[in-house]
Amino acid sequence: GAVVSQHPSWVICKSGTSVKIECRSLDFQATTMFWYRQFPKQSLMLMATSNEGSKATYEQGVEKDKFLINHASLTLSTLTVTSAHPEDSSFYICSARVGPAYEQYFGPGTRLTVT
Amino acid sequence: GENVEQHPSTLSVQEGDSAVIKCTYSDSASNYFPWYKQELGKRPQLIIDIRSNVGEKKDQRIAVTLNKTAKHFSLHITETQPEDSAVYFCAASQWTGTASKLTFGTGTRLQVTL
Repeated sequence: GAVVSQHPSWVICKSGTSVKIECRSLDFQATTMFWYRQFPKQSLMLMATSNEGSKATYEQGVEKDKFLINHASLTLSTLTVTSAHPEDSSFYICSARVGPAYEQYFGPGTRLTVT
Repeated sequence: GENVEQHPSTLSVQEGDSAVIKCTYSDSASNYFPWYKQELGKRPQLIIDIRSNVGEKKDQRIAVTLNKTAKHFSLHITETQPEDSAVYFCAASQWTGTASKLTFGTGTRLQVTL
């Protein structure tokens, strides 16, 4: 149980275009989902927290107009990187949590390359 | 906000030896401390966690200790095997219900050599 999927697993896009990444909880309802970014050989950095049906809470330094997060249902959250630039190339990982539980369940990640 | 420091950044041990990774945290209100193992290009996997009401927890070859006074917690892996080679991250969180979020350490690259 507690499986989280992401789609796509990797994507290449051209500079200036937008790309959408989906995060789904497959066998549970996720009241809270998190989006992380991980650059090569670095740690996971939290970008934003989203609760179903409400606006996402972004971490300091993360541009909310560039990284659009939608958590429209209890099993789906999306991250859209708008006007992508090469410096946005990274590994994007989502996680999901049930209610106020301690544990987060991580998705397999999406590798974004912006050319 | 919370700040988590992790040492060492790299660790090489021989198969069968023990490995110890240490983390310190800054926020005395933090009360949940998970450890994750991440293989290259893969998702982080929870390997063990500890809550602040417990000083030590063990699961087979893996154990975690917590010193709340010193704000330290450590991961101990005994009888290391080549498949233990990966990057390990500690994290800390103050459980506040739905607002809880994890702050990760900088990671330790563990290499287990034959």
